[in-house]
Amino acid sequence: GNSVTQMEGPVTLSEEAFLTINCTYTATGYPSLFWYVQYPGEGLQLLLKATKADDKGSNKGFEATYRKETTSFHLEKGSVQVSDSAVYFCALSATSGTYKYIFGTGTRLKVLA
Amino acid sequence: DSGVTQTPKHLITATGQRVTLRCSPRSGDLSVYWYQQSLDQGLQFLIQYYNGEERAKGNILERFSAQQFPDLHSELNLSSLELGDSALYFCASSGGGQASYGYTFGSGTRLTVV
Repeated sequence: GNSVTQMEGPVTLSEEAFLTINCTYTATGYPSLFWYVQYPGEGLQLLLKATKADDKGSNKGFEATYRKETTSFHLEKGSVQVSDSAVYFCALSATSGTYKYIFGTGTRLKVLA
Repeated sequence: DSGVTQTPKHLITATGQRVTLRCSPRSGDLSVYWYQQSLDQGLQFLIQYYNGEERAKGNILERFSAQQFPDLHSELNLSSLELGDSALYFCASSGGGQASYGYTFGSGTRLTVV
């Protein structure tokens, strides 16, 4: 079945450090891939998405590239800020038959000033 | 404000009781999804409705049920509550029936069963 595996957190970085959060997936067909962010006390917000192989999603300085050959969708940011501290979820949606997301377990990021 | 409204924000109830969680989707969105977020299980998909009809079902217990009304708001009913049902319950909406468009999440209802 479809699944998403994220690196375990927490990830603690200093401000302006480079961020990578790994995400790999297992799916039949050609799923769409997403990163969501959850700030404390809030719901999840769509951060970026990619719907086909080699697509790059980007938003607010975050990027992720849909790599079908490695079944990966790693999240990167060149210079993190304290305000980026949150939980990040990788997710996929199947292309047919089902309409729900499969979420990873989430990775908590803490950025220190 | 994401446009998805969930009420109540917090709910404390006793074991064995029944509660109803409410969700109003973003204006124009036809699909509503319910998710349960707990510390040990992460985000679990419960159920999806599209324009009033059940579209997909996930790990939803038989004690739980949901419906979507003609005005597109949805309710999640949880009955015979157990301590393990304590969690954050999120509602999300999307424009089409397919999740590839991306969801808009509400801020959730925190349920505490004591």
